[in-house]
Amino acid sequence: GENVEQHPSTLSVQEGDSAVIKCTYSDSASNYFPWYKQELGKGPQLIIDIRSNVGEKKDQRIAVTLNKTAKHFSLHITETQPEDSAVYFCAALRARQLTFGSGTQLTVLP
Amino acid sequence: SAVISQKPSRDICQRGTSLTIQCQVDSQVTMMFWYRQQPGQSLTLIATANQGSEATYESGFVIDKFPISRPNLTFSTLTVSNMSPEDSSIYLCSVGDSNYGYTFGSGTRLTVV
Repeated sequence: GENVEQHPSTLSVQEGDSAVIKCTYSDSASNYFPWYKQELGKGPQLIIDIRSNVGEKKDQRIAVTLNKTAKHFSLHITETQPEDSAVYFCAALRARQLTFGSGTQLTVLP
Repeated sequence: SAVISQKPSRDICQRGTSLTIQCQVDSQVTMMFWYRQQPGQSLTLIATANQGSEATYESGFVIDKFPISRPNLTFSTLTVSNMSPEDSSIYLCSVGDSNYGYTFGSGTRLTVV
């Protein structure tokens, strides 16, 4: 089955700086890669996704890049704000099943 | 995207008892998914709930422990049976597909004492 590795497990940045979280996947058949933000006491919220036929996607301060050859994808958050502090999960979809990375605790320091 | 209502939001249960979690979606969906998130951990798929047929369970999860119902295209339940403290987790319902994305409910925070 699919295996998704996510790094780093924790990340602290100063407000206004950029944050980058990286994931690798094992199954070349995976074709959809969402990113989720989970705040304390809440369910995961989809923040951006990318499909395997696209190399990059951007939505305001958030961007995702995908390298199919290397089987890795990354989340980029620019101009970080304290409200960006949360746990972020990457995931890979294969055969209608999502496999999640282990999560990254992002802390934005004011 | 679909809106999911999940109940209860949290519960504290005695070991040996069972809890049924409900998931209601505001639109008809083909597939519904149940996940477990152990404290401080990632999400693990328990099973896929199919309308009109038995749920499909992932390795390590069995129907006797986690029976699932899917009576129609907008509703599903997950029961955690004969609970032990190791079952203390967040249980999450999800719906979606790769065209529209996968949405999660707010979760049920279960503590077994």
